[in-house]
Order: sequence, then structure tokens, then C-alpha cells
Amino acid sequence: DAGVTQSPTHLIKTRGQQVTLRCSPKSGHDTVSWYQQALGQGPQFIFQYYEEEERQRGNFPDRFSGHQFPNYSSELNVNALLLGDSALYLCASSPDRVDTGELFFGEGSRLTVL
Amino acid sequence: GDSVTQMEGPVTLSEEAFLTINCTYTATGYPSLFWYVQYPGEGLQLLLKATKADDKGSNKGFEATYRKETTSFHLEKGSVQVSDSAVYFCALSGVTGSGNTGKLIFGQGTTLQVKP
Repeated sequence: DAGVTQSPTHLIKTRGQQVTLRCSPKSGHDTVSWYQQALGQGPQFIFQYYEEEERQRGNFPDRFSGHQFPNYSSELNVNALLLGDSALYLCASSPDRVDTGELFFGEGSRLTVL
Repeated sequence: GDSVTQMEGPVTLSEEAFLTINCTYTATGYPSLFWYVQYPGEGLQLLLKATKADDKGSNKGFEATYRKETTSFHLEKGSVQVSDSAVYFCALSGVTGSGNTGKLIFGQGTTLQVKP
């Protein structure tokens, strides 16, 4: 049973560019969340998708946007990249009616902005 | 808003030493509490959880008790091993009338290094 998979694992961009990160949730999961983890910090919630709609959003600017597809996979898009966007981006999945809030995480996409 | 504060690291211990990593939280209502672990080169994975006051979560020799009166969820292990070297994150998930929000709020993480 494949867990949460993310691509690419590493990428380098320059300021002002745009990036798209991809995530396939664990089998049987229909809810996908994205987190940003800066170096030496804990992950911070970006947003959550369910039934192809953004259900919750954290304190991130509109440059951060996402999408969920009918097969539950998801993309995170970041426009007009800033140096401060350099981080590990984590995707997490869960079944919608999870009672305990447990999330399953991928290994992340490490973005470096130069 | 909701927040989690955990002790700063790094924490360096010798094998078989006792481990405590402190975690306190601020939240409205009664959140679920978690410890996640990030081993080198791997993704975050759930270590243990507790969903209500006085619950004790346990896994792989690690334990943590949900203390509502002190808003704490300290992680403990009686005898650490080299393989426990990792970054440990305390987290909470808010609860509404519809159940868990599924949104985790993490502490900043504590790096544990265990030496043989």
C-alpha cells in the first residue's frame, strides 16, 4: 500500500518564478493538506482540500494556491517566489471523517529560492 | 489563537538514559494532542496521540499523558536507544462540533541525539 507520495523531491527556482508541487494521497484518503516547514521550525498549515475545494486555509498569502483532482491528488502552486519561500513543503492526507486528527505525511518537496 | 510550545534542543543523551521533552499548549476547547517524529531522510510519522484529558498515549516505549490542568503533553521514555535519534514535534488538532478540524498546529521541534 503506497503511502503519500510527493514530487519533485528537490527543486531550485529564482525569485519571481512560479512553482508547482504535486501530491498523491494514501490509498483510501480523500482529504489533502499542505504544510510549509522552514529550516529548524515546525510545519505550518497552508490549506486543506476536500472534494476538490479548499476547506480550510492558514495564514498564507494568495500567492499560495492549490487544487485537488477527482482522484484526490493535489497540487500546490506558489507564484512570484520570494527568498522566504525556501522550505520543505509537506503534503498530508487523511480520510475525511477521521476522529482523531491523525495525518499521514509524505517526505516532502524541498524548494530552494535563489 | 491555538499554539504549541516545546522545549528547545538539541537534546543529547547517552544510550539507556531517561528522556523527557516538554510540551505545553494553548487552545480553546479540548484539542487532540500528538507527538510526531521525523527520522533523518524520512517523512513525519505519528508516534503517539491522546484525544481527551488524562489519556495516556504510548508507542515504542514512548509515553505522554494529556494533562488538561497544566495544558501539557510531555514526552517520556525510560531508556533511549541510538535509533531514537530524530526530531520530535508536539502538535494539537482543534476540535469543533463536527469533530477534529484535521488542521495540525506544531511546536518548533526538538532534536534528540542519542550517543552509544
